[in-house]
Parts: sequence; C-alpha cells; structure tokens
Amino acid sequence: DIQMTQSPSSLSASVGDRVTITCQASQDISNYLNWYQQRPGKAPNLLIYDASNLEAGVPSRFSGGGSGTDFTFTITGLQPEDIATYYCQQYDNLPLTFGGGTKVEI
Amino acid sequence: QITLKESGPTLVKPTQTLTLTCTFSGFSLSTSGVGVGWIRQPPGKALEWLALIYWDDDKRYSPSLKSRLTFTKDTSKNQVVLTMTNMDPVDTATYYCAHRRRNGPNSYSFDYWGQGTLVTVSS
Repeated sequence: DIQMTQSPSSLSASVGDRVTITCQASQDISNYLNWYQQRPGKAPNLLIYDASNLEAGVPSRFSGGGSGTDFTFTITGLQPEDIATYYCQQYDNLPLTFGGGTKVEI
Repeated sequence: QITLKESGPTLVKPTQTLTLTCTFSGFSLSTSGVGVGWIRQPPGKALEWLALIYWDDDKRYSPSLKSRLTFTKDTSKNQVVLTMTNMDPVDTATYYCAHRRRNGPNSYSFDYWGQGTLVTVSS
C-alpha cells in the first residue's frame, strides 16, 4: 500500500494568512493526487485533482503543486469559512489511500 | 445534478452483517468510466477507502477488508449495496458513498459524496 503522510496534523493561522500543507507519498505517484476539504460534520469536498488542477467552482485562493512523492496544498488568504480538515488522496495504485488529515483552525 | 444518499442501520451488534445502500441520481452506473466508491471515517479519525464498483461491474476492495466486503449494483434502481460481515466495534464509523469521476487517462476523483451515515457497532 502507498502511505500518504501529511504535515502538520493541525495548524492555527489568522484570517488572511498563507497556509501550506504538505503530503508525502511512500513511492512515486506521478501527479495522481487529489485534495479534499472536510468541514466539521460534513462530507469531504473535492478541491484539487491531478495535484494542481482546481475543481470547478472552488475559489482561486486554493492551489496545489508537486509531483512524484512530494506535494503541497496552499491557501493564499485564509478565510473563516476555510476552517476544516484537509486530506490528500492518491489514486496511482489500489488500494486508494488518504493522508491523515490537517486540521486548520483560526 | 449528481446526488448520492446512504441508508442503512445506525446500530449493529458485534458479529452481525452490515448492509448499506447508496441511492444515487444524476448519472448512470452503466456509463463507461463511471464508478462508485465507499469510504468510511471512524469518529475523529481519517478517511479510509473500502471499495469501488465500476460501470462494467468490476469491483475492487481494500485488501485489509476484502474477505468481509461484498459490493453489488442495481443499475435499474440506481443503487449500489455494500455488505460487511462480522462487524466489530472498531468498524464504528461514518460510511460515505461517492461518485468516481474520470478526469482523463488514469485520472480519477471522488467529486460528489453522500452525506454519510453513522454506523455504531455495540452490543
């Protein structure tokens, strides 16, 4: 199985801050990576696919990058509604695997 | 507009079999490239993929749970059904079904999710 390691596991930031989350795969997954946002008590919501492609309707303050084993997810200008847990997920190989999540607080 | 909704028992006893139904609309599971997945999330923990079913009835399961899972589809009813045998308290989780979208060659995402259903395993 491909292990996905996210860091940090939690962070606290202020409105307007730039926030960066990293996700490391245990082996090369090319750009086969998705990022999801999960607000408290809600289902996950797709934000980024193919490591850097913004999902339709998602604000442009969200971005993703990286390839191979190292990936980043950035919120440029944190907003109160961005309070959530963020997960990376690889689809290079089955079983599909998710990172442990990063909880973003203000 | 794609929607999915999970249904099933909220409480099961240890050793019992769990049967969850995902009823969807806005897409057909007979369309090439389409899939539906099940993902679960224990309280306060991360997401865990369980199973996928494809438009051609191919199925894939998490290796760690494969012996306990069965995934079927009823295309005419727009439903998929997941059964999990020999339930244990560690299986307590919110269970989600999700639409798997094909973005391009070898590129897939879960773009629509159900609201989830919390299943508690307790005697």
